Amino acid sequence: EAQVTQNPRYLITVTGKKLTVTCSQNMNHEYMSWYRQDPGLGLRQIYYSMNVEVTDKGDVPEGYKVSRKEKRNFPLILESPSPNQTSLYFCASNSGLPSDNEQFFGPGTRLTVL
Amino acid sequence: QQQVKQSPQSLIVQKGGISIINCAYENTAFDYFPWYQQFPGKGPALLIAIRPDVSEKKEGRFTISFNKSAKQFSLHIMDSQPGDSATYFCAASILGFGNEKLTFGTGTRLTIIP
Repeated sequence: EAQVTQNPRYLITVTGKKLTVTCSQNMNHEYMSWYRQDPGLGLRQIYYSMNVEVTDKGDVPEGYKVSRKEKRNFPLILESPSPNQTSLYFCASNSGLPSDNEQFFGPGTRLTVL
Repeated sequence: QQQVKQSPQSLIVQKGGISIINCAYENTAFDYFPWYQQFPGKGPALLIAIRPDVSEKKEGRFTISFNKSAKQFSLHIMDSQPGDSATYFCAASILGFGNEKLTFGTGTRLTIIP
């Protein structure tokens, strides 16, 4: 089954404790992104990657890091989480074909930073 | 800055009625306009999308109407069913730009009542 998986699905942590949210896709997609979803703000892109070792900032990158060492994986790293990073996070992937921008989203990770 | 404005924030429609959600965009470079449907606890999933070279696209009970001159597009759900109850996001992007970033509206929570 073609899918994007994320782990963990739920996470409660404390300010300053480094954490990583993993993301993996099995569709051989070139592009992967991270979004955060907040009430009244919709989804906003944090970081994206166009290929292995190629990443760049989205609209709200402050406080986040990413890496793309393998095509299928795109982890999101919060080096020193703060309460304003409490949110619902989605990983997404798409083929990168010029005529197709359907993005496939993972099930989400609900993060609470105390 | 909110580049894609969506309304209403919430909508209640009787079963069998027509649900209408509206979006307006600012960036005239956008050339791909999808609608995503999100059920509780799930990631968004592509519902229907349109390119600006057509004014309407229909898939089953779902129709996108697009007005390029007004920079507006809308989703119409005919014969609305309880199973359509979900949050709907409009979005826009520029195909082939490299990032394939989706700029989302703020979402509409649709409730279909019997």
